[in-house]
Amino acid sequence: ETGVTQTPRHLVMGMTNKKSLKCEQHLGHNAMYWYKQSAKKPLELMFVYSLEERVENNSVPSRFSPECPNSSHLFLHLHTLQPEDSALYLCASSQSGREQFFGPGTRLTVL
Amino acid sequence: GENVEQHPSTLSVQEGDSAVIKCTYSDSASNYFPWYKQELGKRPQLIIDIRSNVGEKKDQRIAVTLNKTAKHFSLHITETQPEDSAVYFCAASRADSNYQLIWGAGTKLIIKP
Repeated sequence: ETGVTQTPRHLVMGMTNKKSLKCEQHLGHNAMYWYKQSAKKPLELMFVYSLEERVENNSVPSRFSPECPNSSHLFLHLHTLQPEDSALYLCASSQSGREQFFGPGTRLTVL
Repeated sequence: GENVEQHPSTLSVQEGDSAVIKCTYSDSASNYFPWYKQELGKRPQLIIDIRSNVGEKKDQRIAVTLNKTAKHFSLHITETQPEDSAVYFCAASRADSNYQLIWGAGTKLIIKP
């Protein structure tokens, strides 16, 4: 695998389920990101993990919980989601402030 | 708070014509301005970027111009081709972060044959 990979690619879950999204980067980068992409809205940064920064967007509900065990892996744990959380969730990585490389995304549908 | 405004939201041009997408940013300390292209069903990919110490950068058919005084930057695509059809996002760096970008809402570019 090369670049940034994400699993699963598609996920359908009920509001009471617990699931996790996984992201892995094979680029040796030092920062990883979770974005939410909804139709006709800007890319919404949810979380950034790097050695220097850990940023959590204050507007992200606590039902989204990130985990970054090392510089190559990033998880997004989901629990008791709402239908409005349905979106494309994109993971990205970068080397410091340079180009962000995106994964293919996970298309999440909350029923 | 900081924001980036992007216009137009949709742009339709005849194949072979030029397309221009404009973005305005609010943080005068922003110093890095990338442009990403997202084809339907695919991930965003960087197509060109510019730093605040230059006013223009060109790569074949695409170019980006930056006006720091007016706090706006533009993407120019010449001799448009069908494969240019996509959503284009501009972004500006946050002055207080080495990693975060502030994103525009995107422009859907449609190339008419």
